[in-house]
Amino acid sequence: GQNIDQPTEMTATEGAIVQINCTYQTSGFNGLFWYQQHAGEAPTFLSYNVLDGLEEKGRFSSFLSRSKGYSYLLLKELQMKDSASYLCAVMDSNYQLIWGAGTKLIIKP
Amino acid sequence: DAGITQSPRYKITETGRQVTLMCHQTWSHSYMFWYRQDLGHGLRLIYYSAAADITDKGEVPDGYVVSRSKTENFPLTLESATRSQTSVYFCASSEGLAAYEQYFGPGTRLTVT
Repeated sequence: GQNIDQPTEMTATEGAIVQINCTYQTSGFNGLFWYQQHAGEAPTFLSYNVLDGLEEKGRFSSFLSRSKGYSYLLLKELQMKDSASYLCAVMDSNYQLIWGAGTKLIIKP
Repeated sequence: DAGITQSPRYKITETGRQVTLMCHQTWSHSYMFWYRQDLGHGLRLIYYSAAADITDKGEVPDGYVVSRSKTENFPLTLESATRSQTSVYFCASSEGLAAYEQYFGPGTRLTVT
């Protein structure tokens, strides 16, 4: 079967750095997405990786290793507004997104 | 306003009733999707559509029906609602599949009693 694993919850301090890991086993691979979802709201796109390596976008970076079936989202200079769930999703061989259950990130002052 | 909208935002219905959730997008995106989101689960794809009059099943299609007569609309119908269909339903759209982000509507919280 297809599986996306990410930690259920993480806690970090305002101003710090946090890394959210995602491991996957899917039928084929056509890219990995990270989305942010604030409580009670819709998911919004953060990043897309299809090749190995690091993609940087402001305070957020996303890394992919296809051989290890592994990705991480790195958030720097954490702000209170970064408190949200972070969803990892892999596009499989049928071009359907397979989603992880999400990581709830709690930011403490 | 441009974007993707869903209606109703909240719905309470009884077991066995038919209910339709509406989704409308103004970008003329080719692809539209219906997901459900349940606590402890990732988003799960119910149905998707590549264009008007082209729809296909996702991971959890049983008990649901979709149609797409116009590019901008993609309604989801629960033919005979069951308690297990209590969930938050998200509609999304995108220009394509690979490498294209999906834009999500605000969601419909459905409770089946």
